[in-house]
Amino acid sequence: KQEVTQIPAALSVPEGENLVLNCSFTDSAIYNLQWFRQDPGKGLTSLLLIQSSQREQTSGRLNASLDKSSGRSTLYIAASQPGDSATYLCAVSRNTGNQFYFGTGTSLTVIP
Amino acid sequence: KAGVTQTPRYLIKTRGQQVTLSCSPISGHRSVSWYQQTPGQGLQFLFEYFSETQRNKGNFPGRFSGRQFSNSRSEMNVSTLELGDSALYLCASSMLGPMNTEAFFGQGTRLTVV
Repeated sequence: KQEVTQIPAALSVPEGENLVLNCSFTDSAIYNLQWFRQDPGKGLTSLLLIQSSQREQTSGRLNASLDKSSGRSTLYIAASQPGDSATYLCAVSRNTGNQFYFGTGTSLTVIP
Repeated sequence: KAGVTQTPRYLIKTRGQQVTLSCSPISGHRSVSWYQQTPGQGLQFLFEYFSETQRNKGNFPGRFSGRQFSNSRSEMNVSTLELGDSALYLCASSMLGPMNTEAFFGQGTRLTVV
């Protein structure tokens, strides 16, 4: 069974700092990996999708990388802002469907 | 365009009752999947529907069931509610084209069982 781990579980940084969130998974036979953010009590907002054949994706201040062979992905957030405060979740899928295995998330707090 | 819509947003039910939750996917998306989120277990996959057929099923008891209609809208049903069923239920939709597998989530339905 696929196990997804996210480190750290919580992170607090001052505004403006660059930061890296880590995600690891046990089974490298994934179809894609997707990063989400979740605000308290809300649904998930898609941030970046990386297909298994890709190495990285970028959107604005966000950059996500994927190393399938080592079972790792990182989400890089540049110049963090208080509005980035949320829980960040990574999820991997094993086939073309919508069945994701989620990590437990990293709770990020950006201090003004 | 409109996102994924889940109704109702909040529900309070009594143990032993049953409940039906609804999910309307993004227009053109044919895949709908359901997840349960709890503080202790995190996000767990319930099931996925594509073109009215269940494609995958997670490890949940038979009290949890779902269906999908011809317009891709989906419902999930939980019978004989237990206190442990209290959770945020999220649905996700995806187009599932050859190069388009990004999943989009709704705001969820918060179910409280008392």
